[in-house]
Amino acid sequence: DAGITQSPRHKVTETGTPVTLRCHQTENHRYMYWYRQDPGHGLRLIHYSYGVKDTDKGEVSDGYSVSRSKTEDFLLTLESATSSQTSVYFCAIEVNDRGPSGANVLTFGAGSRLTVL
Amino acid sequence: QQQVKQSPQSLIVQKGGISIINCAYENTAFDYFPWYQQFPGKGPALLIAIRPDVSEKKEGRFTISFNKSAKQFSLHIMDSQPGDSATYFCAASMGPNTGNQFYFGTGTSLTVIP
Repeated sequence: DAGITQSPRHKVTETGTPVTLRCHQTENHRYMYWYRQDPGHGLRLIHYSYGVKDTDKGEVSDGYSVSRSKTEDFLLTLESATSSQTSVYFCAIEVNDRGPSGANVLTFGAGSRLTVL
Repeated sequence: QQQVKQSPQSLIVQKGGISIINCAYENTAFDYFPWYQQFPGKGPALLIAIRPDVSEKKEGRFTISFNKSAKQFSLHIMDSQPGDSATYFCAASMGPNTGNQFYFGTGTSLTVIP
């Protein structure tokens, strides 16, 4: 998936435990994103980063924190997981589509499926 | 508030038929409208995209129709095949350095029956 690796791909955990999901890119892109995907809601932005140590909240950031200490790694942490955080989490990088439009688009990782019991 | 509204939520089409997915937006600052295709167990992948100064863009069997005055755009899949069965997301973004300015529809699950 275009130089993006997410880990773990699957995780089952219990309510109240901390969870960290990792996103690693090999292409040195500035912008990185964390989305969650739920039926009926599509893709919702949790947090994004515009550089090392530069992050900001998305529309569903409550209960999540992020860190970016290196350009290539963007971590998503659930400090105390809840059942409502059961979801599929996608990391994305922003890249230029290199076509005539000159627009930026998102390239997604393969996803991390998290189940909170 | 949903910035991009997508319909239908699910769609079943016979092989060889035309699949049509519709999206609408309100913010006229959007200047790029991509469609993403997602297969089960995979991340969304860019399928086709259009700028608002173009009314139609075609790539193979996939066509985007864009109506700027109505603030609507749609994806047409001609001669639909079982391999097209996937979830499709429309999206909208603004600016060359968009940061967090990507907005997605809620997705359409397409099933093409052989």
